[in-house]
Amino acid sequence: DADVTQTPRNRITKTGKRIMLECSQTKGHDRMYWYRQDPGLGLRLIYYSFDVKDINKGEISDGYSVSRQAQAKFSLSLESAIPNQTALYFCATSDLQVNGALNEQFFGPGTRLTVL
Amino acid sequence: RKEVEQDPGPFNVPEGATVAFNCTYSNSASQSFFWYRQDCRKEPKLLMSVYSSGNEDGRFTAQLNRASQYISLLIRDSKLSDSATYLCVVTVDTDKLIFGTGTRLQVFP
Repeated sequence: DADVTQTPRNRITKTGKRIMLECSQTKGHDRMYWYRQDPGLGLRLIYYSFDVKDINKGEISDGYSVSRQAQAKFSLSLESAIPNQTALYFCATSDLQVNGALNEQFFGPGTRLTVL
Repeated sequence: RKEVEQDPGPFNVPEGATVAFNCTYSNSASQSFFWYRQDCRKEPKLLMSVYSSGNEDGRFTAQLNRASQYISLLIRDSKLSDSATYLCVVTVDTDKLIFGTGTRLQVFP
């Protein structure tokens, strides 16, 4: 079974609809992240969380919200979807090295979201 | 200036060729460095970490130059299966990674 899973894998929705993307992990990591990827722009950080009580905005958080329901679950919501939120969304997890430096991130398979 | 910059390519090389990718980063306090590989429409996956002394994993060699804030990836004896986008990744603090936009490699027969 995959260590990081995302649901749904594909979603088509209409402008103004509320949508939630879910992420679950079995790696036991405290740190979880949400990214979006657009052609030519690379991966951009939306939100990240260090534990259930710690949520932080990334570089493009406007229009999004998140919820860390448990160590293993981190969901991303679009309260009122708009067409320019059409993108590939990735969830990722990580932990810290012994020296405190950030370790590699493990990614889920992605959710392809289309907003019409 | 972008925090992490890469040549987007594409690099089109024949099988067996040696190809090198470069990456520059702007934050001199960055601590950790990685190369990720991403296949079309798939998630990024770690290819290798990059250490100050340089490191090698089979046909892949990564180098770090902290003074010039420069990272490189060398692929020897390219295979068709190496065709992918290679992402340079840098930490700016202990919170998060910054991803380059990637360099696309296409290996042809």
